[in-house]
Formats: sequence, C-alpha cells, structure tokens
Amino acid sequence: DAGVIQSPRHEVTEMGQEVTLRCKPISGHDYLFWYRQTMMRGLELLIYFNNNVPIDDSGMPEDRFSAKMPNASFSTLKIQPSEPRDSAVYFCASVPGPKIPDTQYFGPGTRLTVL
Amino acid sequence: QQQVKQSPQSLIVQKGGISIINCAYENTAFDYFPWYQQFPGKGPALLIAIRPDVSEKKEGRFTISFNKSAKQFSLHIMDSQPGDSATYFCAVFNQGGKLIFGQGTELSVKP
Repeated sequence: DAGVIQSPRHEVTEMGQEVTLRCKPISGHDYLFWYRQTMMRGLELLIYFNNNVPIDDSGMPEDRFSAKMPNASFSTLKIQPSEPRDSAVYFCASVPGPKIPDTQYFGPGTRLTVL
Repeated sequence: QQQVKQSPQSLIVQKGGISIINCAYENTAFDYFPWYQQFPGKGPALLIAIRPDVSEKKEGRFTISFNKSAKQFSLHIMDSQPGDSATYFCAVFNQGGKLIFGQGTELSVKP
C-alpha cells in the first residue's frame, strides 16, 4: 500500500486566494482526520470523518475553512479566502477502525505558505 | 485549554545514553496514550502506545511508563542512537474520538 497520499506537497499562494488541499487515505480505512501543525500551536485537529461523514469539526478555525469527503478514497480541505496566518503544514491521517482509538497513519503533509 | 503538558521542549543525549520525555495530562477520562515520532519533512508515525490498565510497555529500545495516580506517562529510549533524532509527541485520546497532542520534544542524539 502506498500509504496516505497528500497533494500538493508545497503550496505558495497570495492572501485572498482559494487553496484546496487533497488527501487520499489508505484503502479500507474508516476514519480520516485533518490536522494543522505550526510552531506556535503544535498539532491541532481540524476535523474528522467516519465513513465519509463529518463527525467533529469543532477544530475548524473559522468559516473560511471547509472540508469534504465525497467518497472513501478522497477528501479535500479548502481555505477561501486564505490569509497569512493560515501558513502551516496540513496533515491528513487515516485510521483503520472500526473502533477508535487506533493507530493514525499520517500522510507526508502539505506545506502551505500564504504571502 | 492545554490538556497535555510535555517536557522538555528539547533534549540532547549522547549516543548510547537514555532519553526520557515526560507528559502530564489533566483529565482522568483519557484511555489511550500513544507516542508519535516525526522526522523532518515527514508526518508523525506511531511509535508505541499504552492503555491505563498497565503501568509499563516495552517495545525494543522504547518503553512507556505510566503512572495513573499522578496522571503522568513517559517515554524512555534506551541505548539512544543518532537515527532516533526526531521530534516526539505524546498524545491522549479523549472520548470524543480525538487525539490531543503535546507540544513535542526535539531529540538530538550526538554520535
């Protein structure tokens, strides 16, 4: 298995632009998590899905952030409009399930820079 | 609201030495305590995890010690190697389905 796949690996954009981050979880996994990592705040959970259904989005910082999981093999995290304070590394992680806690398998991350 | 406090922030150890990283948590409802290892440019990866019904778990050179009454758990790396140089995160799992991570410890093992 190729593991969790994220794209792009690096994204540089200007303030106000829309940014879409993509994640392909490990096949057969029931859960998908989106995290943000910064030096100041560490690893923060943004949202997680179970069987493609959003379960908890309380970590999404504001309405500019949205996440979808249209099917079991694909999820997106969208920021519109982007701001410099959104600069961070964004990770998705998939979990086998059916129950949690269980090992979280992280992708390589997307490094986002908003100028 | 910080629920996991990790220390130290950084640690330098000589090759062959013991690395010790500590975490303290606030909520007794947590029931799963993993440690993740992260190399530069990579995502975190599970290293070892413990549940509160045991006080210690060992996997190779890595040991978790768990003190339920003190609400503390620690990671010990025996015979530390330069390849162990990475950032280590403790985490706790709450019943809402979330992993809450500590702030991380940057470990450097000198040859």
